[in-house]
Amino acid sequence: QTVVTQEPSFSVSPGGTVTLTCGLTSGSVSTSNYASWYQQTPGQAPRTLIYNTNSRSSGVPDRFSGSILGNKAALTITGAQAHDESDYHCVLFLGSGVWVFGGGTKLTVL
Amino acid sequence: QLQLQESGPGLVKPSETLSLTCTVSGDSITSSKSYWGWIRQPPGKGLEWIGCIFYSGSTYFSPSLKSRVTMSVDMSKNQFSLKLSSVTAADTAVYYCARLSSGWSWGQGTLVTVSS
Repeated sequence: QTVVTQEPSFSVSPGGTVTLTCGLTSGSVSTSNYASWYQQTPGQAPRTLIYNTNSRSSGVPDRFSGSILGNKAALTITGAQAHDESDYHCVLFLGSGVWVFGGGTKLTVL
Repeated sequence: QLQLQESGPGLVKPSETLSLTCTVSGDSITSSKSYWGWIRQPPGKGLEWIGCIFYSGSTYFSPSLKSRVTMSVDMSKNQFSLKLSSVTAADTAVYYCARLSSGWSWGQGTLVTVSS
């Protein structure tokens, strides 16, 4: 069974740049996986940041960008701010109508 | 403006069936040509995609839950529903409904606890 992988945790300094990744235990991520990224703070519903690998959702600052880096999907945050401290979830389309989430990355800004 | 609202019992007994409904406003389930889905999040854990349904009734489910999940659409009420059978404590989670178009739109979520 293919599993979607994310870093469990990451830290970034205020003003810094961080890249979170989303991979597969079997195979490489491509644009055909339509990677999407969600930001979630405790007690809140997820907020869509990026969809279809690199399309920014309405209202999302251009500090957030999505891409394919090597064999993984990536979310890059530039100019990190304190309120970017959140959980970040990715989801991949694995075909046959099935989507699978990664385990999420807890981002700390300090 | 699109809004999705989950509703249903917050407490379900083990071995029984969990039933939730998502009411959609600001968009039509039949005209948006979108899939409508369910995602859950156990306390302190990550998100899990459960499945989705098109207004025509076409469905896709997570392989790990497929044997216990059914979904349906009520076009007259602009709602879609989730049923999860034979629940255990492991099914305790916040359940979200969502429109699975480009850039998923999420409901606020509802906590369902499985306990006797």
